[in-house]
Amino acid sequence: QKEVEQDPGPLSVPEGAIVSLNCTYSNSAFQYFMWYRQYSRKGPELLMYTYSSGNKEDGRFTAQVDKSSKYISLFIRDSQPSDSATYLCAMNRDDKIIFGKGTRLHILP
Amino acid sequence: DAGVIQSPRHEVTEMGQEVTLRCKPISGHDYLFWYRQTMMRGLELLIYFNNNVPIDDSGMPEDRFSAKMPNASFSTLKIQPSEPRDSAVYFCASSSSFHEQFFGPGTRLTVL
Repeated sequence: QKEVEQDPGPLSVPEGAIVSLNCTYSNSAFQYFMWYRQYSRKGPELLMYTYSSGNKEDGRFTAQVDKSSKYISLFIRDSQPSDSATYLCAMNRDDKIIFGKGTRLHILP
Repeated sequence: DAGVIQSPRHEVTEMGQEVTLRCKPISGHDYLFWYRQTMMRGLELLIYFNNNVPIDDSGMPEDRFSAKMPNASFSTLKIQPSEPRDSAVYFCASSSSFHEQFFGPGTRLTVL
């Protein structure tokens, strides 16, 4: 079983819709949970991170961690065409960091 | 600050040649990371430094890969000799904490 699983997509949704992106993981030792956004031919950009369980909100973005289910989510409200990108989850334990392979998201105008 | 700077942005070379990728981290950051990204394997951590010292190189694929950080403002990743399977995008990232990394624009390497 891979340490981090993420559906590669692509996921296509109409502008204005709520987007839900998810990752599952197998190692309960992960402490920090991050979401990165990567535009085509660019480097990943940190959107937000969460420590341990719970929710964190930043503007249109909400990150959610459920450690009991080993499941993390990123919600995007009022999605915009500029949100079209690949979203990578990442997890940190001790001095290790593991990235998901990313989900490609297309917001249709 | 200009962010993490990488050079070259694109590199095309022939199998067997030496390749050197360069990175200038954000000033003040203690950590520097080298990653490789491919469609098949995603984003993989190759090696990271803390205060210029290599801490974990377990992700370096084989002895053909080496990385150095001679000072706080410069790092190199070298592949010698290069092989076609090394073709990928190589990213450098820097940070003050492990979980808030700032990535450079990447170097797209093609080995023919």
